[in-house]
Amino acid sequence: RKEVEQDPGPFNVPEGATVAFNCTYSNSASQSFFWYRQDCRKEPKLLMSVYSSGNEDGRFTAQLNRASQYISLLIRDSKLSDSATYLCVVHSGFQKLVFGTGTRLLVSP
Amino acid sequence: EADIYQTPRYLVIGTGKKITLECSQTMGHDKMYWYQQDPGMELHLIHYSYGVNSTEKGDLSSESTVSRIRTEHFPLTLESARPSHTSQYLCASSGTYSNQPQHFGDGTRLSIL
Repeated sequence: RKEVEQDPGPFNVPEGATVAFNCTYSNSASQSFFWYRQDCRKEPKLLMSVYSSGNEDGRFTAQLNRASQYISLLIRDSKLSDSATYLCVVHSGFQKLVFGTGTRLLVSP
Repeated sequence: EADIYQTPRYLVIGTGKKITLECSQTMGHDKMYWYQQDPGMELHLIHYSYGVNSTEKGDLSSESTVSRIRTEHFPLTLESARPSHTSQYLCASSGTYSNQPQHFGDGTRLSIL
């Protein structure tokens, strides 16, 4: 079983839709969580950190569920420019960040 | 915006050549990383360093080597390039604490003929 698992998608949604991704992690000792965005053939860029109480940044909301060991990313009012791959990242107990394989989002007009 | 730089951005070179991919960061980060990523595929950690004179192999076996003589510099070397080394190589750095994210360079796209 992979340490971090994501649905690869693609998620095809129309502009203006709300879309949510989940990501599960296996190491219950994980303490830090992040969502990154990666555009095609570009480097990953930090989208947001995920805090225990949940956090919001504009149209993006991240939540952490420690009991079920998953984090989520909600995107409201999707824009064409949101089309990208979203990477779930978990700090493992061995001082490394573990990247998920990513969920691909395609927003269409 | 993170200050981490990779050179070259693109490199096309023949088999058997020695290659060094450069990575530098100006943030004073202790931790640095090298990832390999093929198009449309996941990131694979190939090397990391927690500070000067510290280097470790990552999860994916790689024929490359790294060095960390200075905090800001983490070059990756391939002694004899082969077509199987064709890939994108991404360098990243992060601060000391575990709750700090990694910041990536633009990457080097390497093609071995």
